[in-house]
Amino acid sequence: NAGVMQNPRHLVRRRGQEARLRCSPMKGHSHVYWYRQLPEEGLKFMVYLQKENIIDESGMPKERFSAEFPKEGPSILRIQQVVRGDSAAYFCASSLGTGNSPLHFGNGTRLTVT
Amino acid sequence: GESVGLHLPTLSVQEGDNSIINCAYSNSASDYFIWYKQESGKGPQFIIDIRSNMDKRQGQRVTVLLNKTVKHLSLQIAATQPGDSAVYFCADLPGPGTALIFGKGTTLSVSS
Repeated sequence: NAGVMQNPRHLVRRRGQEARLRCSPMKGHSHVYWYRQLPEEGLKFMVYLQKENIIDESGMPKERFSAEFPKEGPSILRIQQVVRGDSAAYFCASSLGTGNSPLHFGNGTRLTVT
Repeated sequence: GESVGLHLPTLSVQEGDNSIINCAYSNSASDYFIWYKQESGKGPQFIIDIRSNMDKRQGQRVTVLLNKTVKHLSLQIAATQPGDSAVYFCADLPGPGTALIFGKGTTLSVSS
C-alpha cells in the first residue's frame, strides 16, 4: 500500500518562475494538507483540502499561492512568481478525515529559488 | 493565537537510556495529540497518538503522557537506540475540521 507520494523531490526555479508541487494521497484518503518547513524549524500549516473543496486556507499567503485537489488526479500546490523566500521544504499529508485520525506525510518537495 | 511548543530544542542521551521529550500546548480545546519523528531528508513519521479522554498510552518502546491540567504532553522512549536519533515533533488538533498544529521540534541525539 503506497504511502503519500510527492513529486518532484527537488525543484529549482529562478525568481519569477512558477513552481508546481504534486501530491498523491494514500489510497482511500480524501483529505489532503500542505505544510511548509524552513530549515531548523517546525511545520507550518498552509492549506487543508477535501476532494474539490478547500476546507481551510488560513495558513496560505493570499497572493501567488494556490492549491487544488481535483476529483481526479493529485493535489497541486502552485506558487506563481517565486521569490527567494519561498525556498523551503513543502510537505503534503493525507488522512481519512473521519474523527481524530493521524496525518500521514510524504517525503516532501524541496524548493530552491535561485 | 494557539501554539504547540517543546521545552528543549536538543536532547543527548546514551544508547540504552530512557529518553523523555516534553511539549506544552496552549489551546485547552485541543482534544487530539500526535508525536511525529522526522529523520533528515524525510517527512514526519507517525509514532503515537492520544486523545484527550486518556492520560497515558503505550506503544512499542514508546509511551505518551498527557496532563490536561497543565497542558503538557511528553514522549518517553525506552532503551533508546541510535536509530531513534531524529527530530521529534508534537502536534495538536484544535478542533473538528481543523489541521494539526506543530511545535518546533526536539532533536534527539543518541550516542553509542
